[in-house]
Amino acid sequence: GQSLEQPSEVTAVEGAIVQINCTYQTSGFYGLSWYQQHDGGAPTFLSYNALDGLEETGRFSSFLSRSDSYGYLLLQELQMKDSASYFCAVRDGGGFQKLVFGTGTRLLVSP
Amino acid sequence: DSGVTQTPKHLITATGQRVTLRCSPRSGDLSVYWYQQSLDQGLQFLIQYYNGEERAKGNILERFSAQQFPDLHSELNLSSLELGDSALYFCASSPSSSEGKRDGYTFGSGTRLTVV
Repeated sequence: GQSLEQPSEVTAVEGAIVQINCTYQTSGFYGLSWYQQHDGGAPTFLSYNALDGLEETGRFSSFLSRSDSYGYLLLQELQMKDSASYFCAVRDGGGFQKLVFGTGTRLLVSP
Repeated sequence: DSGVTQTPKHLITATGQRVTLRCSPRSGDLSVYWYQQSLDQGLQFLIQYYNGEERAKGNILERFSAQQFPDLHSELNLSSLELGDSALYFCASSPSSSEGKRDGYTFGSGTRLTVV
């Protein structure tokens, strides 16, 4: 099976940089994804890493190290609207993409 | 609008009752996934359908069932409801298996089920 660990909560101030870590255990690895979810809202896709290294999308970047079974989401120039929960997820099996999600990290951005 | 439509948005019902949640996937997506999210919890996978066929099952209770119809919409049926079934139920869709990996899932806005 799969299991993912994330910190339960992270706090930061506007304009700062924050890193949300994710360690995973899988029987097979098919990529690490990140999703953002505002309170009461739907999860929205942020990024996907299949290979080692950094993927950058605007203010957000995601990093993967397959040898360490570790990844992180880096959020720069934090804004109040970034306050949300962030989930890492891994695919379960190569064919049909069932995603297994971590327990989520609640990010609180203060002025 | 994500393109994935879930109805109803809110549902309040009594214990022991049965409800049906509906999901229309994004146009062109063949896979539908159902997830349950209890208060302040993560997303628990329930079941996946691909082009009308069940493809994967998670920790779905026997009281729960689902199906995907020829027009690709899906329904999640919850019966003999208990207080602990109160949760947000999300539907998500993705393209065929080889195309969806970089774009990820598209989630609907969810159905908030309250069992009283």
